[in-house]
Amino acid sequence: DAGVTQSPTHLIKTRGQQVTLRCSPISGHKSVSWYQQVLGQGPQFIFQYYEKEERGRGNFPDRFSARQFPNYSSELNVNALLLGDSALYLCASSLYGATEAFFGQGTRLTVV
Amino acid sequence: ELKVEQNPLFLSMQEGKNYTIYCNYSTTSDRLYWYRQDPGKSLESLFVLLSNGAVKQEGRLMASLDTKARLSTLHITAAVHDLSATYFCAVEGNQFYFGTGTSLTVIP
Repeated sequence: DAGVTQSPTHLIKTRGQQVTLRCSPISGHKSVSWYQQVLGQGPQFIFQYYEKEERGRGNFPDRFSARQFPNYSSELNVNALLLGDSALYLCASSLYGATEAFFGQGTRLTVV
Repeated sequence: ELKVEQNPLFLSMQEGKNYTIYCNYSTTSDRLYWYRQDPGKSLESLFVLLSNGAVKQEGRLMASLDTKARLSTLHITAAVHDLSATYFCAVEGNQFYFGTGTSLTVIP
């Protein structure tokens, strides 16, 4: 069985640009969450989607947005990139919102 | 906001020794998770603790949960080099709240 897959695995962007990260959950999982992990810190919650609706949002600026598609895959968009957005972005899927989450391999975003 | 604290933040231990990592959290929750992260990699699920008094063991690692004390422990028995990694606890509220992480280095 395929686990949670994220693309791309690595990405380099320039300040001010926009980026889109993608996530495909485990088959049958309807909930997707996004986390930002800055080097040396624990993951910080950004968004949770369940059944294509936003169910939770962390303390991130409006430059961060996300959506979930009918096939339960998800995209995370970040506009007007800042150097501080450089991080590992993790996607997690679960059967429904409040159960064990399985994480993808992450997308390493570097903003220069 | 739920806060999760781990200690120690850094742990260097010799092979064969025992040690415990502590995870304290600030508000009531009955669900706690332990994850392992190797450098540059994603999070690997180790344990899911779903009730007060839950204890789970896998190899040299054992995790327990005391919801009344809002405390979970991850005990390492007879450490080996392969256990070197960063360990995170995560508490389930309306989202997952992760601890600060414990960077474990096992020295031969």
